[in-house]
Amino acid sequence: DTAVSQTPKYLVTQMGNDKSIKCEQNLGHDTMYWYKQDSKKFLKIMFSYNNKELIINETVPNRFSPKSPDKAHLNLHINSLELGDSAVYFCASSPDVEPGLAGSTDTQYFGPGTRLTVL
Amino acid sequence: GQNIDQPTEMTATEGAIVQINCTYQTSGFNGLFWYQQHAGEAPTFLSYNVLDGLEEKGRFSSFLSRSKGYSYLLLKELQMKDSASYLCAAMDSNYQLIWGAGTKLIIKP
Repeated sequence: DTAVSQTPKYLVTQMGNDKSIKCEQNLGHDTMYWYKQDSKKFLKIMFSYNNKELIINETVPNRFSPKSPDKAHLNLHINSLELGDSAVYFCASSPDVEPGLAGSTDTQYFGPGTRLTVL
Repeated sequence: GQNIDQPTEMTATEGAIVQINCTYQTSGFNGLFWYQQHAGEAPTFLSYNVLDGLEEKGRFSSFLSRSKGYSYLLLKELQMKDSASYLCAAMDSNYQLIWGAGTKLIIKP
């Protein structure tokens, strides 16, 4: 009954390879996100999708391509991996992109993270 | 530009009280979040403030002053399990979260 799940949890690969990270949420949320947390612990937004449509696309190399087959899934594909891509990648989801009724918080719920190491 | 500032590290004693401060500058404002992140784990939601004042939730309280661009997280009756990083995040006018780097809280017996 995990709310936001990611696979794999650990990913070790060589430079130049292509890899994918999968994310699924069973909370019925409309919005999903990908974050990168580097060694300095800054959480940087990469992408955000609302009902399968891209709404936030920060300055991220086009080697990174998100795909949302349905609103419960947001996968991240990375081409030609580089050493600087090593980080922890978190998927998250929230009920809606805008604050709703009074008392709602648009809290983001995070997946367990995927630790990517590029050698 | 948009910016979140919080101390890098704090140390406190088990059973004591600690206050973690956060100042923010964002384009518009739609609320201030506090998250807890244990080492090697995902951030988990602690609190949300959008109106000025103090919100209390058990041992944790969060305060917001929108005019000062300032928030704090107050942790009472500290326990060893409270050792973690505490992330402050402000939601801007585009409903995007701007994250601080986190404050690593070390609890000593």
